[in-house]
Amino acid sequence: GENVEQHPSTLSVQEGDSAVIKCTYSDSASNYFPWYKQELGKRPQLIIDIRSNVGEKKDQRIAVTLNKTAKHFSLHITETQPEDSAVYFCAASKYSGGGADGLTFGKGTHLIIQP
Amino acid sequence: EAQVTQNPRYLITVTGKKLTVTCSQNMNHEYMSWYRQDPGLGLRQIYYSMNVEVTDKGDVPEGYKVSRKEKRNFPLILESPSPNQTSLYFCASSSSGFTEAFFGQGTRLTVV
Repeated sequence: GENVEQHPSTLSVQEGDSAVIKCTYSDSASNYFPWYKQELGKRPQLIIDIRSNVGEKKDQRIAVTLNKTAKHFSLHITETQPEDSAVYFCAASKYSGGGADGLTFGKGTHLIIQP
Repeated sequence: EAQVTQNPRYLITVTGKKLTVTCSQNMNHEYMSWYRQDPGLGLRQIYYSMNVEVTDKGDVPEGYKVSRKEKRNFPLILESPSPNQTSLYFCASSSSGFTEAFFGQGTRLTVV
């Protein structure tokens, strides 16, 4: 099955700086890569996703890049703010004409924004 | 309001006593799944369902059962809970496995 590795497990950055979280996946057939944010005591929520036919996607201060050859994708957050403090999860899924298998998540990155 | 509802939110039970955690969504989503979240292990998929009467195992299905008799409901059944099933459980739904998954509020289960 799919295996998703996520690094680092904890990331501390100064407010206003950028943060980068990296993930690698093992199944070259995976073609959907979402990122979820989970604030303390809350449910995970989608912040951005990318499909394998696109190399980069941006939404305001958040961007995701995908390198299919190397089988890795990254989350970039610019101009970090205190409300960005949370646990971030990457995930991978494989979709074919018969349907999709489930999401395989990385173990998460605890992002801490230092004032 | 579009939502995924899990019940109960908190549950303490004893080893071996069968229990069911319910999950219901009002978005007419075809795809539903169950995850457990443990410290340092992230979210691990237990079971998923692509439609009514179609279910499949995820990464950690041992000790769990599911059913999908109606599109909106996807209950998680623990026939004989054990302490290693103490965890935070999330149900999620999406229109397909290729689109945003909406998570329920979570169920914190403790098995003593």
